[in-house]
Amino acid sequence: GDSVTQMEGPVTLSEEAFLTINCTYTATGYPSLFWYVQYPGEGLQLLLKATKADDKGSNKGFEATYRKETTSFHLEKGSVQVSDSAVYFCALRTPGAGSYQLTFGKGTKLSVIP
Amino acid sequence: DTAVSQTPKYLVTQMGNDKSIKCEQNLGHDTMYWYKQDSKKFLKIMFSYNNKELIINETVPNRFSPKSPDKAHLNLHINSLELGDSAVYFCASSPLDREGQYFGPGTRLTVT
Repeated sequence: GDSVTQMEGPVTLSEEAFLTINCTYTATGYPSLFWYVQYPGEGLQLLLKATKADDKGSNKGFEATYRKETTSFHLEKGSVQVSDSAVYFCALRTPGAGSYQLTFGKGTKLSVIP
Repeated sequence: DTAVSQTPKYLVTQMGNDKSIKCEQNLGHDTMYWYKQDSKKFLKIMFSYNNKELIINETVPNRFSPKSPDKAHLNLHINSLELGDSAVYFCASSPLDREGQYFGPGTRLTVT
């Protein structure tokens, strides 16, 4: 079945550091890929997405590129801020009749210190 | 103009009680979901409804029953609550394409 593997957290960075959170996936067909962010005490928010190979999703300074050859969708940000502290989830969705489910990774907690 | 809303936000109750959580979306999406998030932040899908028909029913206890009166609402009823039901429950919705899902703010259920 489909699965998503994220790097184990927690990740602690200083403000303005470079961020990479690794995500790899296993899926049948050609899934859409997503990153979600969950700020403390809140629900999940869609951060960015990519629907086909070589697509780059971007939002709020975050980027991720859909790499079919390595089955990866790593999240990057050039300069993190304290306000980026949250839990980040990588997810995939395999389209097709009767297949609407999102498969999530286990989440990576990011803490950014001043 | 809230996209996906849930009520209540917090729910504290005793073991053995029956409770409901309501969810509404105003995005015009065809599919709605319920997820359970445990204390380690792991998300597990519980149910999914597409145009008022159940299309996913993961292995959750039959004490949990989703009810969808129309395409915009998916409520979750829980009977005979147990300590292990304590978690955050999220409602979500999505369109029928390659788009992602849009989540509600969550309901933190505490069973004492």
